[in-house]
Amino acid sequence: KNQVEQSPQSLIILEGKNCTLQCNYTVSPFSNLRWYKQDTGRGPVSLTIMTFSENTKSNGRYTATLDADTKQSSLHITASQLSDSASYICVVMGNYGGSQGNLIFGKGTKLSVKP
Amino acid sequence: EPEVTQTPSHQVTQMGQEVILRCVPISNHLYFYWYRQILGQKVEFLVSFYNNEISEKSEIFDDQFSVERPDGSNFTLKIRSTKLEDSAMYFCASSEASQSAGELFFGEGSRLTVL
Repeated sequence: KNQVEQSPQSLIILEGKNCTLQCNYTVSPFSNLRWYKQDTGRGPVSLTIMTFSENTKSNGRYTATLDADTKQSSLHITASQLSDSASYICVVMGNYGGSQGNLIFGKGTKLSVKP
Repeated sequence: EPEVTQTPSHQVTQMGQEVILRCVPISNHLYFYWYRQILGQKVEFLVSFYNNEISEKSEIFDDQFSVERPDGSNFTLKIRSTKLEDSAMYFCASSEASQSAGELFFGEGSRLTVL
């Protein structure tokens, strides 16, 4: 069964600290993996999209890694800011012909950054 | 920056009533989607729409649901006879292409509360 599991479920860190969020998936065949940031009550906003051949991708203070062999990804946030408080959702796209309906969403990691 | 806009932001309705949620996708995008997120749960795909017809739909998208692009800008989701379990945040999304690495842009969501 195609699944995306994220850990931890929630995380509290102090402002300025780094953190790493994990994503494991069983989606096959694999097309790409995406990380989204979702503020409470808002729509998800794309952070990165990584294909099979990409190991690392950065977007400002966000760095995503992908190991397609072990089916794992991580999102590293450097020097966290209060505005980083949000849910971070890992989304994996299966390769069934290119339709966006093949996106499998994780439940997200809820990050709280405290002053 | 172009964005997907959704109305209403929040709608409260009685069970059994019809609801129409509206979306204005990004103007040069060709693919449109509806997703929903029940409170505390993961985002779920409902339907994708291209060239004035449904290209893919999930098991959730039963006869109670319909989508329409009534003019050149709006994309609507109609729920014919709402049930309590339809209470959720509904997200519209659009993309330029259905390519596997295509960027998906989400709206801010419409929160539906069924009483």
